[in-house]
Amino acid sequence: AIQLTQSPSSLSASVGDRVTITCRASQGISSALAWYQQKPGKAPKLLIYDASSLESGVPSRFSGSGSGTDFTLTISSLQPEDFATYYCQQFNSYPLLTFGGGTKVEIK
Amino acid sequence: EVQLVQSGAEVKKPGESLKISCKGSGYSFTSYWIGWVRQMPGKGLEWMGIIYPGDSDTRYSPSFQGQVTISADKSISTAYLQWSSLKASDTAMYYCARPLCSSTSCHAFDIWGQGTMVTVSS
Repeated sequence: AIQLTQSPSSLSASVGDRVTITCRASQGISSALAWYQQKPGKAPKLLIYDASSLESGVPSRFSGSGSGTDFTLTISSLQPEDFATYYCQQFNSYPLLTFGGGTKVEIK
Repeated sequence: EVQLVQSGAEVKKPGESLKISCKGSGYSFTSYWIGWVRQMPGKGLEWMGIIYPGDSDTRYSPSFQGQVTISADKSISTAYLQWSSLKASDTAMYYCARPLCSSTSCHAFDIWGQGTMVTVSS
């Protein structure tokens, strides 16, 4: 099974900071990677699919990049509403899927 | 509006059985897979399995194979997740989700249910 490793597991940042989260796959998954945001008590929300495609309605400060085994989610200028936990998920072996362990973005 | 609506919170005792539901609306229920995701308290997301209601093709994560059963009733556009004998370690929030698909492949879960909290305690 494909494993996804996210780093860091948590980070502290200030409003306006540029934030980068990494997701590494245990084997090549082409561009079949999605990123989600989850706030406490809420269902996850899709941000990015196909590694770099922005979901409709998601602010342009969110971007994704990468292919193969290494992927990045970047928030260009962190906003107060962006403090949340972020997850990657691979769709390369669909319908067999995997999530990364998550990255919690906290206020510094 | 495309949506998935899940059944309400459950409180059960160890050893009891349970079936929770996820009703789809606003789209062709038989044309999209529906997946189930577990989130234990304070922990991350875990993909459990997925079903294609059109023909009931079902796939499980190795971690959940034999532990749960996923099914669907296409006549009422509803998918199910069930346990035959609950354990305290099944205490978690459970989400259903539908993938965003093109004609050739699927790319992400873009539609999520609101979640069903299952608490198992003696």
